[in-house]
Amino acid sequence: QSALTQPASVSGSPGQSITISCTGTSSDVGGYNYVSWYQQHPGKAPKLMIYEVSNRPSGVPDRFSGSKSGNTASLTISGLQAEDEADYYCSSYTSSSTLGVFGGGTKLTVL
Amino acid sequence: QITLKESGPTLVKPTQTLTLTCTFSGFSLSTSGVGVGWIRQPPGKALEWLALIYWDDDKRYSPSLKSRLTITKDTSKNQVVLTMTNMDPVDTATYYCAHRLAGMDVWGQGTTVTVSS
Repeated sequence: QSALTQPASVSGSPGQSITISCTGTSSDVGGYNYVSWYQQHPGKAPKLMIYEVSNRPSGVPDRFSGSKSGNTASLTISGLQAEDEADYYCSSYTSSSTLGVFGGGTKLTVL
Repeated sequence: QITLKESGPTLVKPTQTLTLTCTFSGFSLSTSGVGVGWIRQPPGKALEWLALIYWDDDKRYSPSLKSRLTITKDTSKNQVVLTMTNMDPVDTATYYCAHRLAGMDVWGQGTTVTVSS
């Protein structure tokens, strides 16, 4: 069982906005600003989309944004596009491990 | 441009030891703040942290797998090696190595390891 809780699936139509939540505890998401989000297309390696809660690496479209409130982090994708259809994983530093922890993943379907 | 590539056996028998090598380019593992980590993903399942090694040889391990894992680096060869002992069919997965500076920002393509007799 993953330590961070994500919805199994979310969906949206092209052009719409969606938000994926990542719920942890005060020992991980709530306690540190070290939340990352990864996008994974089928058969491909994960790709970093957001780091340290809300920072975008170079090359990631500004349609992708991250935020945090209490023990829950969120990834918002605005102006949804077909190529955004993928699995998304959150990750956080945790005081119970010197490595960090991943969420269970969310499958995004673009209708 | 940073690149990483995993290599190792595709098939191992139960109880055997798995040795995976991550060969990278475009950065030095002697640069302050840099790390290389290993993450795996069983078929159809979520990502799972395994181990991470930093430029200063600081090593981090998954608490649940710590007794079975060893991570080392060879800075001169630009390689990071992960060994996992006592392999079991549940360890069947795609194993990734990734560069760490701000998040795991560059990943290798992954290598699939099947554990079966």
